[in-house]
Amino acid sequence: ETGVTQSPTHLIKTRGQQVTLRCSSQSGHNTVSWYQQALGQGPQFIFQYYREEENGRGNFPPRFSGLQFPNYSSELNVNALELDDSALYLCASSLETAYNEQFFGPGTRLTVL
Amino acid sequence: QQQVKQSPQSLIVQKGGISIINCAYENTAFDYFPWYQQFPGKGPALLIAIRPDVSEKKEGRFTISFNKSAKQFSLHIMDSQPGDSATYFCAATGFQKLVFGTGTRLLVSP
Repeated sequence: ETGVTQSPTHLIKTRGQQVTLRCSSQSGHNTVSWYQQALGQGPQFIFQYYREEENGRGNFPPRFSGLQFPNYSSELNVNALELDDSALYLCASSLETAYNEQFFGPGTRLTVL
Repeated sequence: QQQVKQSPQSLIVQKGGISIINCAYENTAFDYFPWYQQFPGKGPALLIAIRPDVSEKKEGRFTISFNKSAKQFSLHIMDSQPGDSATYFCAATGFQKLVFGTGTRLLVSP
């Protein structure tokens, strides 16, 4: 069974740029959730994708957007990067929309300069 | 009302001791309470979880105690080991999302 994988591991961008982060869900899982974890904080829910549709969103502006592909992998896109977007971005996969049994990837560390 | 408050922020326990981390919530719509363990450079990993109709759940050295009337729950790590040194997050499921506490950094000294 393959776990959740994310790419890239680290990324450095400048303010105003755009970034795309990628996630491959665990084998058999059809739901992907994205979280932002600032340094020293708990993860904050960004949104969830289920069967290629957004299925719930946290308090993040529209410049945070996502996609889910037919193979259930997912992308997180952030436009017009701000310094406060610097964080660890975590992807979690689950079967159906089971928020209670999410399996997390190692994350992508984004630094915005 | 969708927040989960966690304490302490950091904790130092001697090897063999008991580590206790506490969490509190406001909204009774939360219906599932997991604990996650996170090591540096890794994503959170589900440790143990409980539903509000149960007052206690034990898995090995890890126990969750749940007080529904007080809207509080806690994680107890018995016989704490240096390998338990990590950041622990309580969380709650509700409102179609998983809400995390702010985390407790546990250090178990040898």
